[in-house]
Amino acid sequence: AQTVTQSQPEMSVQEAETVTLSCTYDTSESNYYLFWYKQPPSRQMILVIRQEAYKQQNATENRFSVNFQKAAKSFSLKISDSQLGDTAMYFCAFILDQTGANNLFFGTGTRLTVIP
Amino acid sequence: NAGVTQTPKFQVLKTGQSMTLQCAQDMNHNSMYWYRQDPGMGLRLIYYSASEGTTDKGEVPNGYNVSRLNKREFSLRLESAAPSQTSVYFCASRAGWLAGGGETQYFGPGTRLLVL
Repeated sequence: AQTVTQSQPEMSVQEAETVTLSCTYDTSESNYYLFWYKQPPSRQMILVIRQEAYKQQNATENRFSVNFQKAAKSFSLKISDSQLGDTAMYFCAFILDQTGANNLFFGTGTRLTVIP
Repeated sequence: NAGVTQTPKFQVLKTGQSMTLQCAQDMNHNSMYWYRQDPGMGLRLIYYSASEGTTDKGEVPNGYNVSRLNKREFSLRLESAAPSQTSVYFCASRAGWLAGGGETQYFGPGTRLLVL
């Protein structure tokens, strides 16, 4: 069974500080893709960053970076220089890299509040 | 390029009423998806269409039907709405395996459905 666990229901960070959101997942497969999605109050699901499991190098997108530990099945998101616009729910998700695989498995989310 | 669009944005139904949620994408993607999001949970897959002309059940298909009208459009129908179907519904699309990859799913803005 494929599962995603986000153990931090809520977090807060001061503006301009750095915060790390945790995610662990479970799968017996070795090839997959990992994602972080952001859901602001508008409810739109916005892709933040993605990581291919076969790549050892951690993905980065401007102020967002990940710490991908494949052996530990861990995929944390680091947000640097936090901004008020980063306030949102953050969801970790993954999909198997198999022809015919379609289910994107989501965690339950972490609500991040950036404090001015 | 609007991406993924959904109508309506919000709907109130009475128990037993029927309705169809509409979804369209203009990215020429092969695969389309319907998810539901309930409080305290991540998104769960209801139905998907890996390619035009095919549809398959996801994790929570009971009470729903889908139609892949053409490559652009994928609708979700509730034949007899129940209060348990009160949720936020998201449509998503992906280039898909037929396109040689394209694992990232792009989401519409969501439809809030309240069943009384």
